[in-house]
Formats: sequence, C-alpha cells, structure tokens
Amino acid sequence: KQEVTQIPAALSVPEGENLVLNCSFTDSAIYNLQWFRQDPGKGLTSLLLIQSSQREQTSGRLNASLDKSSGRSTLYIAASQPGDSATYLCAVRPNDYKLSFGAGTTVTVRA
Amino acid sequence: DVKVTQSSRYLVKRTGEKVFLECVQDMDHENMFWYRQDPGLGLRLIYFSYDVKMKEKGDIPEGYSVSREKKERFSLILESASTNQTSMYLCASSLWGTGGISGELFFGEGSRLTVL
Repeated sequence: KQEVTQIPAALSVPEGENLVLNCSFTDSAIYNLQWFRQDPGKGLTSLLLIQSSQREQTSGRLNASLDKSSGRSTLYIAASQPGDSATYLCAVRPNDYKLSFGAGTTVTVRA
Repeated sequence: DVKVTQSSRYLVKRTGEKVFLECVQDMDHENMFWYRQDPGLGLRLIYFSYDVKMKEKGDIPEGYSVSREKKERFSLILESASTNQTSMYLCASSLWGTGGISGELFFGEGSRLTVL
C-alpha cells in the first residue's frame, strides 16, 4: 500500500524567504504526482502535475521536482508572499485511479 | 479552465435525513470522485465513477451511494445521515490519464455538511 508523507506538518517563514516542501512515497511505481494548495474551508487547487517520466515542472514562482527512485518530490516556492499561506498537499497516482494523498504541510508566511 | 461545481457549500441536516450532494464538471472528464476530508484523517475516497452509470467503491463507501446518469454530473447520496458523516465533502474529476494524457485531478470548492 502506498504511503505518502509530508514533513514538516507546519512551517512558518518571513516574507521573501524561499519555501521548500517535501513529499515522500513508498512505492516508486507511480503514474504521476500532483501538488495542490488548499485554503481554509475550501477545495484543493491544482498547482503542478509531474508525469512519472518527468524530473520537474515549473509554473511562475513554483517548481516541483520528482525523483522516483528515491520516492521523493519537492515543491519550491520562490520569494514567498503572505498570499502563499495555505496548506500544500501532494498526491501520488499509481496506474489505476486510487490516488494516495499526503497529510499536507501548513505554511504561514509572515509579513 | 476546468470547472468543478458543487451546488451546496454548506448544509445542515438532521440525523436520519436523506442528503444529496451534487457535483457538475464542464470538461467532459470520464472520471469523477467523491472524497471526504476530516482533520487528522486526510482525504479518503468514498466512490469513484469512470463512466456514466459505472461506479466503484472507494475506501469508505459504507453509508453512502452515488449516481451518475449523465457524464457531467456525479451525485453523492447519504440515505440516512448520521452525526459521524459530518465532514467536508470534495468532488473531483479527471481524464483517465493514459497514452500521454495527464490525468490531472481537479476539485470543486467542497460541501461542508453538518449532521445534528
């Protein structure tokens, strides 16, 4: 059974600092990995999706890397802003439909 | 942009009531999902549908049923609501994701259900 772990559970940084969020998974036989953002009381917003054949994806200030062999993905957010405060979740998809979600990292960016 | 719309953002129901949660997506996705999200338990899959009238049980289907009569609409039904079904319910949709198609998952805004 796929286990997805996100450490740390919470993170507080001053505005302008770069954020590094980690996601680890136990089974490297994945189809893709997706990063989401969730604001309190809201649904999940897709940030980046990395296919298993890719090493990284970038969108604006966000960059996600994937190392399947070591079972790790990292989400980098450059020059953090207070508006980046949210919970960030990663989800790993095997070759079927059953995604496995991490518990998330709650980020607070202090102005 | 893909849009997944959950018709009710907040609901308050009584124990024993029948509850319908509706979800509509506008991107012709084959796959639709219902999850519930609880503090400390994360997201758990209730049901999955990969085509009209097709469904599969997820990890926690007990106490729930689903209906998919049209491709764009996926309904979650609580036949007799109980207090332990108080939760945030999240609908999602995706393409199947084979042959180079991404299979990116898109979520709705969520439905916060309180059962008294």
